[in-house]
Order: sequence, then structure tokens, then C-alpha cells
Amino acid sequence: AQKVTQAQTEISVVEKEDVTLDCVYETRDTTYYLFWYKQPPSGELVFLIRRNSFDEQNEISGRYSWNFQKSTSSFNFTITASQVVDSAVYFCALRTGRRALTFGSGTRLQVQP
Amino acid sequence: KAGVTQTPRYLIKTRGQQVTLSCSPISGHRSVSWYQQTPGQGLQFLFEYFSETQRNKGNFPGRFSGRQFSNSRSEMNVSTLELGDSALYLCASSPPATDTQYFGPGTRLTVL
Repeated sequence: AQKVTQAQTEISVVEKEDVTLDCVYETRDTTYYLFWYKQPPSGELVFLIRRNSFDEQNEISGRYSWNFQKSTSSFNFTITASQVVDSAVYFCALRTGRRALTFGSGTRLQVQP
Repeated sequence: KAGVTQTPRYLIKTRGQQVTLSCSPISGHRSVSWYQQTPGQGLQFLFEYFSETQRNKGNFPGRFSGRQFSNSRSEMNVSTLELGDSALYLCASSPPATDTQYFGPGTRLTVL
């Protein structure tokens, strides 16, 4: 069975603070893909990153960074110097083989000015 | 390139009616997936189509059906609507040889 857990339901920070969104996944497959999506109030899911199970290299893209650790089955997402425009719901997702994406329950991030 | 488009964006129906939602994938994408998003159940997979064939199906009743046309456009149909079908329905398309799904803006269905 596949499962994605995002234990943080809601996080509130003040602009310019750093914030980390946690994601823990479960799968028996050795080949899998992990994703992060952002859902602003408009509703569209915006793709942020994809990482495959063989690539544990961390990635940085501007103010965003991702920490993938197979040993703890975690794929955490950090926003540095948060901005009001970062306010959204963030989803972590897992895909194995031809199965559909399994999403976590999402973390609502509110960045206060 | 234009993104995934979904029509209509908003829909209000009454119990017992049926509804058809449409999705046009990104040009060149042949795989289309549908998801239902509700506050209680979160994002749940409905089905996936590739080259006009259903490749994968989620755990939804038979009232939910879909199809894909030769131009990769897809429709989903919900018959005999129930109040619990009120949700945001999201469509996603994938380019060849990749697992990344790109989502459309969704259709918000309200069943009264």
C-alpha cells in the first residue's frame, strides 16, 4: 500500500521567515517518484518538483529547496525568506509504476505581511 | 504552450441529474487523469486514459465514467448526482515517457 503523510495541517509564519513543510511516504516499491505541488486559492495544482527514488541529491531552486532522505522516507520542502505570495496549500505526492498519484492531505501555509 | 484547460469552470446541478466535464490536455500529451478533491477526502484518483484506453481506475462507483478521444481530449461523466459529488474535479495531463502530471484549473461542481 502507498501512503503519504503531511502531519502539519496548517502553518502560519511572518514574511521573511524560513519554513519547512514535512512529507513522509510509505511504499514497498524500490522505484518511485515523489512530487510537490502548490495549490493557490484559484484551485489549480502547480507542479513544483519531481524526484525519483534513485536520486537523493537535494535540490535548490531560488528560495525553494528540497531534502530527500530515503533512510527516513521523507521528502521535505523548505521555503527560505517566505513571501505573502507563497501562501497556498502544498501537497506532497507519490507515484509508483503505473499507479496514480497518491497525495498527502496537504499543508496550508499562511504568510503574514 | 497552453496549459490544461477544463470546461466549464463552475457548475451547479441538482440531485439526480447528470453532468459532463471536459478536459483538453497540453498539446502533445496523450495521458489524461482525473481527480476529485473534497475537504473531507482530499485528492482522490478517478481514472487515467492513454490513447483512448482507460489505463487505471480509482475506487469510485460506476456512476463515474470517462472517455478519451483521438485528439487526447477527455470527458468525465457523473450520472445520478448525489450531494456528496460536490467537489473540485481536476484534470491532469502527462507528456510521453514521464510521470509528471500537469493540472488544469479544475471544475467546481455543486450539487443541490
